[in-house]
Amino acid sequence: DTGVSQNPRHKITKRGQNVTFRCDPISEHNRLYWYRQTLGQGPEFLTYFQNEAQLEKSRLLSDRFSAERPKGSFSTLEIQRTEQGDSAMYLCASSQGGILVEQFFGPGTRLTVL
Amino acid sequence: KQEVTQIPAALSVPEGENLVLNCSFTDSAIYNLQWFRQDPGKGLTSLLLIQSSQREQTSGRLNASLDKSSGRSTLYIAASQPGDSATYLCAVIRNQFYFGTGTSLTVIP
Repeated sequence: DTGVSQNPRHKITKRGQNVTFRCDPISEHNRLYWYRQTLGQGPEFLTYFQNEAQLEKSRLLSDRFSAERPKGSFSTLEIQRTEQGDSAMYLCASSQGGILVEQFFGPGTRLTVL
Repeated sequence: KQEVTQIPAALSVPEGENLVLNCSFTDSAIYNLQWFRQDPGKGLTSLLLIQSSQREQTSGRLNASLDKSSGRSTLYIAASQPGDSATYLCAVIRNQFYFGTGTSLTVIP
């Protein structure tokens, strides 16, 4: 399967713990995006990378959130000191080119903070 | 800030019907618009991408139109099937993707 993959698919954690998610984009794609989706809502943009450079971050991305794409391939999203409000589906997407081309989404990681 | 609205929020139709889903946006200065499908608990599947210079795109039983001046897009699904049951999301694209809240479609066999 050459699509976007995300791991883990589900994560349950206790409030205050740190969690890390991984996204593997389609191999030739230079752009990688992270979104957050809560129940009944559309995805909200968090941040994106062009190759290894993080070019934009949403105001939704508080200081507890950090994302990396060290070699311009896979990316990780870490949430420190999780809160119940962090419970959501975290989606990753990739594309080849700029903002004007199609984005291809992964299956998402569902985070539940108890 | 770009606001994207999808109406209706939920729709239930018998199999075989043609249907229209609506997407409206507040800022017409968009680049492109993309329609997605999302199955419960899953990621998004791209259906159609309409570039700002285009007025419509077609793929199989799906046809999407874009009217930038009025801030509207429609997704037309012909001869609906139970397998079309899903949530349909539109996203308008400028410096980033702005998503609507989706229309939940149920096609009854």
